[in-house]
Amino acid sequence: DAKTTQPTSMDCAEGRAANLPCNHSTISGNEYVYWYRQIHSQGPQYIIHGLKNNETNEMASLIITEDRKSSTLILPHATLRDTAVYYCIVRAVIQGAQKLVFGQGTRLTINP
Amino acid sequence: GAVVSQHPSWVICKSGTSVKIECRSLDFQATTMFWYRQFPKQSLMLMATSNEGSKATYEQGVEKDKFLINHASLTLSTLTVTSAHPEDSSFYICSARTRDSQTGSEKLFFGSGTQLSVL
Repeated sequence: DAKTTQPTSMDCAEGRAANLPCNHSTISGNEYVYWYRQIHSQGPQYIIHGLKNNETNEMASLIITEDRKSSTLILPHATLRDTAVYYCIVRAVIQGAQKLVFGQGTRLTINP
Repeated sequence: GAVVSQHPSWVICKSGTSVKIECRSLDFQATTMFWYRQFPKQSLMLMATSNEGSKATYEQGVEKDKFLINHASLTLSTLTVTSAHPEDSSFYICSARTRDSQTGSEKLFFGSGTQLSVL
C-alpha cells in the first residue's frame, strides 16, 4: 500500500491561498489520492480526490504532478474556519479490501 | 455530499457496561462501512470493516469479542463496546463507502463521531 508524507503543521494568513503538499512516491497506477480534513472533535470531511488530472470543486483544487509522486491541495482563499487537520490519503489495498488508512496529517492554522 | 449519521454524539458509562453506537447512511446504501477509533492528538485508526450481511473484518490487534459489529441492513451498522473499561475511552467514528458510477472511484463519508467516556 502506498504511504503519504505531509508536513506536520502549516500556517497561513486569512484570505491567502493555503497550499498543502503531500508526497506519495510509491503510489500505484490505479490508486487515487484523497484529501480529507478534520475539525476538532468532528468526523473527517471529504474535500476532493483525483487520479491523474488536476481537479477542482467548490472547496479546493488538487494539483497532481505528472509522475503522480506528489500532490498539492489548494484552498484558494483561506478562512478561519479552514483551520483543521488535513489528511492526504491514497487508497490502500490490504487483505483484498479497499481501505482508507490515515496518516498523521497536516495541522493547518489560519491566522487572522 | 452523502450524509452519514452517527448516534450518540457522546456517552458516559460505568466500567463493565456495554455501549452501542449506531451509524446510518441517510441518502444512500452502503454495503461497506468502516469503524475508526481516535485517541487525543492522534490520527484515526481503522478498527474494522463492516460488510452488510456478513461478518466484519477486524484489523490486527482489535478484539472481535470486545467490539461487536453488526451490519444488518444496507443503511445501518452498529458497534457495541462490550464490558467497557476506562482504556476504551476514545472517539469512535464510522464511515460509509459510495462508488461513483461514472468513474468507479470511491469516496468515504464520515459520521460526526461518538466520544465515549468510561468511568
